[in-house]
Amino acid sequence: NAGVTQTPKFQVLKTGQSMTLQCAQDMNHEYMSWYRQDPGMGLRLIHYSVGAGITDQGEVPNGYNVSRSTTEDFPLRLLSAAPSQTSVYFCASSYRGLAYNEQFFGPGTRLTVL
Amino acid sequence: AQTVTQSQPEMSVQEAETVTLSCTYDTSENNYYLFWYKQPPSRQMILVIRQEAYKQQNATENRFSVNFQKAAKSFSLKISDSQLGDTAMYFCAFMKQANSKLTFGKGITLSVRP
Repeated sequence: NAGVTQTPKFQVLKTGQSMTLQCAQDMNHEYMSWYRQDPGMGLRLIHYSVGAGITDQGEVPNGYNVSRSTTEDFPLRLLSAAPSQTSVYFCASSYRGLAYNEQFFGPGTRLTVL
Repeated sequence: AQTVTQSQPEMSVQEAETVTLSCTYDTSENNYYLFWYKQPPSRQMILVIRQEAYKQQNATENRFSVNFQKAAKSFSLKISDSQLGDTAMYFCAFMKQANSKLTFGKGITLSVRP
C-alpha cells in the first residue's frame, strides 16, 4: 500500500494562476479531507468528502474547489491563486463507520504564491 | 463549534527527563475523541495517542500518556524519558464523532536537549 500520496511536494505559483493539488489513497477509504497549515495556526479544514460524489465545506473553504469522482482521488483546485493561499496543504483519509478508524495523512504540499 | 487551545508555543526538556504538554478544549458534546499528533521536521503527521471521552481511564502508549480531565476539558500529554527523536511540533486535536472532521490546536514546538 502506498497510503495517502500527494503531488506535487512543492509548488510556486504567481498570483492569479490556477492549479490542482492531487491527493490519492489506495486503502478504499470513504472519508477524505484537505487541511492547510499556517505558522501559529495549526491545521484548518478546507473541504472534506464522505464518499464519491459527496463533498462539503470545512472551516476555510474560500478560494478552493473540490470534487470526488472516485473513491481513490480527492483533488483540491485553486482557481485564482492569492498570496494568502501560501501554506502547507495536507490530505487525510480514513474509513467511515460508527467505530473509530485512524486518519492517515499524506506528506503535504508546500505551496508558495508570489 | 469546538475549539482547541494550546497556550504554550514552545517548550524545552533535557533528554531522559519528563515533560508535559497542555491542551484545553471547549465543546458541548458528551462523546468525542481527543488526539495528540506529532509533526517532526519531515512534516509528516503522526498519531501519538488517542482518548475516547467515554473512557475514564487515561490512554497510554509506551512513553506517552495523557491526563484527561473531562469536567475541566483538559487533555495534557506526558512524555517520559524524553528522547532526541521526540523533538517535533505537537498538536492537540478534537473529533466530535468517529471518522469525521478534526479540529486542531495551534501546536507546540518541543525541543529535547542532549
